[in-house]
Amino acid sequence: ETGVTQSPTHLIKTRGQQVTLRCSSQSGHNTVSWYQQALGQGPQFIFQYYREEENGRGNFPPRFSGLQFPNYSSELNVNALELDDSALYLCASSLTSGGKNIQYFGAGTRLSVL
Amino acid sequence: DAKTTQPPSMDCAEGRAANLPCNHSTISGNEYVYWYRQIHSQGPQYIIHGLKNNETNEMASLIITEDRKSSTLILPHATLRDTAVYYCIVRVNAGGTSYGKLTFGQGTILTVHP
Repeated sequence: ETGVTQSPTHLIKTRGQQVTLRCSSQSGHNTVSWYQQALGQGPQFIFQYYREEENGRGNFPPRFSGLQFPNYSSELNVNALELDDSALYLCASSLTSGGKNIQYFGAGTRLSVL
Repeated sequence: DAKTTQPPSMDCAEGRAANLPCNHSTISGNEYVYWYRQIHSQGPQYIIHGLKNNETNEMASLIITEDRKSSTLILPHATLRDTAVYYCIVRVNAGGTSYGKLTFGQGTILTVHP
């Protein structure tokens, strides 16, 4: 158990809809990262939040956005869903301190876009 | 982040040591080697990381060559529950304004058989 929880575990949406995924960080962690994992592929970095500010972004369009709250929990929002957005979405929390940053992952949210 | 190369698959007998190689010939002096594994349908699990010295924890040992161009993850007594995809990742540790994304490749599928 990593102490990182994600909700919901599964979600079905239709093309064009919007979705919000949630992540609760491990206690004491100040950094949250989001990854997308398509079937049969390794996770791909979407973005990272550190102390409520976006602190790095991968090659994902602006319709992927996020928030980090004062308690360091986080949301991933995806607008105008496309069929290719179907994937496992993973949240990882970490403590950025003194150059050390071990990311601990949640179990993920499985999103299906029909 | 430097690129890593891993064999696509490996087999190991239960109770034997599993030695998983990783090539990272373009690694920079400030890049660490991280290992994660992902059991089917779960989030990636942190195993171990190191800079240049060999490391050992309760899960595994990490052997990094002197020139740091390759490393080996050793599971000393593999069990059936160690069957997973193992990812070798090279990255700079986060600090200050930098961010510590993890760049996952395809990994090595380790199958432990009875």
